[in-house]
Amino acid sequence: DAKTTQPTSMDCAEGRAANLPCNHSTISGNEYVYWYRQIHSQGPQYIIHGLKNNETNEMASLIITEDRKSSTLILPHATLRDTAVYYCIVRVPFYNTDKLIFGTGTRLQVFP
Amino acid sequence: DAEITQSPRHKITETGRQVTLACHQTWNHNNMFWYRQDLGHGLRLIHYSYGVQDTNKGEVSDGYSVSRSNTEDLPLTLESAASSQTSVYFCASSEAGGLYNEQFFGPGTRLTVL
Repeated sequence: DAKTTQPTSMDCAEGRAANLPCNHSTISGNEYVYWYRQIHSQGPQYIIHGLKNNETNEMASLIITEDRKSSTLILPHATLRDTAVYYCIVRVPFYNTDKLIFGTGTRLQVFP
Repeated sequence: DAEITQSPRHKITETGRQVTLACHQTWNHNNMFWYRQDLGHGLRLIHYSYGVQDTNKGEVSDGYSVSRSNTEDLPLTLESAASSQTSVYFCASSEAGGLYNEQFFGPGTRLTVL
């Protein structure tokens, strides 16, 4: 599985968009990009995933560059409850092999 | 509503004791996973199972064992607890099959080995 690089921490004002970058320069053609987040003391929570097209759901948007070497998770209107550690994970999805390899993630602090 | 639970939520034990952490899910998921989380390491996979009687080692399996006798439960056993196993432990489950299935995580168990 390709390695990912994320900033250690970021700040964002409440109500503004939070843009969390992730570099995955060694990603291969069949690897997907996944995002999970972990709010303090809780188990991680799935956010979104994608292959090459931009994706959007009720929680966030995922923008993947054309060369797929980096991506950005966008929380369009950050709230204080979005303060968490955000993990970018790159892997190949196979039938029945849903192992996740977590890095250290980005600690997002949303301030009033 | 379906859920995944862990017990106990907090546990203090002594070095050398056997400890079992419980994980129970009512999603009827075939896949179950155990992770540990330490400062500076994110989450690391300990063991995982793709169904009854199936178990597999993850990246940090030494000193841990699991058994899967039914779909709902995957208990994690520390055969002889060590101080290095002080950590927060998370259990997760996901459906089998399909291109990708979201993992649902439990609330965690904080284990302290003195």
